[in-house]
Amino acid sequence: ELKVEQNPLFLSMQEGKNYTIYCNYSTTSDRLYWYRQDPGKSLESLFVLLSNGAVKQEGRLMASLDTKARLSTLHITAAVHDLSATYFCAVDYDSSGSRLTFGEGTQLTVNP
Amino acid sequence: SAVISQKPSRDICQRGTSLTIQCQVDSQVTMMFWYRQQPGQSLTLIATANQGSEATYESGFVIDKFPISRPNLTFSTLTVSNMSPEDSSIYLCSVERGRRRGQYFGPGTRLLVL
Repeated sequence: ELKVEQNPLFLSMQEGKNYTIYCNYSTTSDRLYWYRQDPGKSLESLFVLLSNGAVKQEGRLMASLDTKARLSTLHITAAVHDLSATYFCAVDYDSSGSRLTFGEGTQLTVNP
Repeated sequence: SAVISQKPSRDICQRGTSLTIQCQVDSQVTMMFWYRQQPGQSLTLIATANQGSEATYESGFVIDKFPISRPNLTFSTLTVSNMSPEDSSIYLCSVERGRRRGQYFGPGTRLLVL
């Protein structure tokens, strides 16, 4: 059974600071997603990481994937209040490429 | 990105009743997925729905409780049967948009069972 673990689960940070969210998974996979969920809303796709060493950046967020370590990171640079949300990583564990197992989520609060 | 709509957006139901949730996509897709998100929790895959075949259920979910239909390539329904308060959750459908684009999620149906 594939397990996906995120840490921290709760993160409170000040605007302007940097921080990293970690996503560890237990079974070999070469496809990992990061999603954002605002309160009362659905999931918004942030990044799709398809291979070892993949790095993607969008604004103040940068995601990377190390398939050998079974680890992905989501790095936040100079946080702003608008980044407050819950962030999920999800791993594709099926050879057909579609069944996702989600991490527990990291609830991020950025304080002024 | 795909445009996905779900109906109803929310509902309050009595225990013992059933609710059917609809998911409509703006273009044809091979695979549609149904997830459950319990309050304050992460998402759990319920089943995969392919057009023209029976849905494939994940461990812990059964067809009698969550029957699924997939009559065409743009539409699917999930029924939550004989509901109990433990079924109170957000139910989301998603579609696969290719290996490089991943899955897109609908807005969700917020269900409260009293």
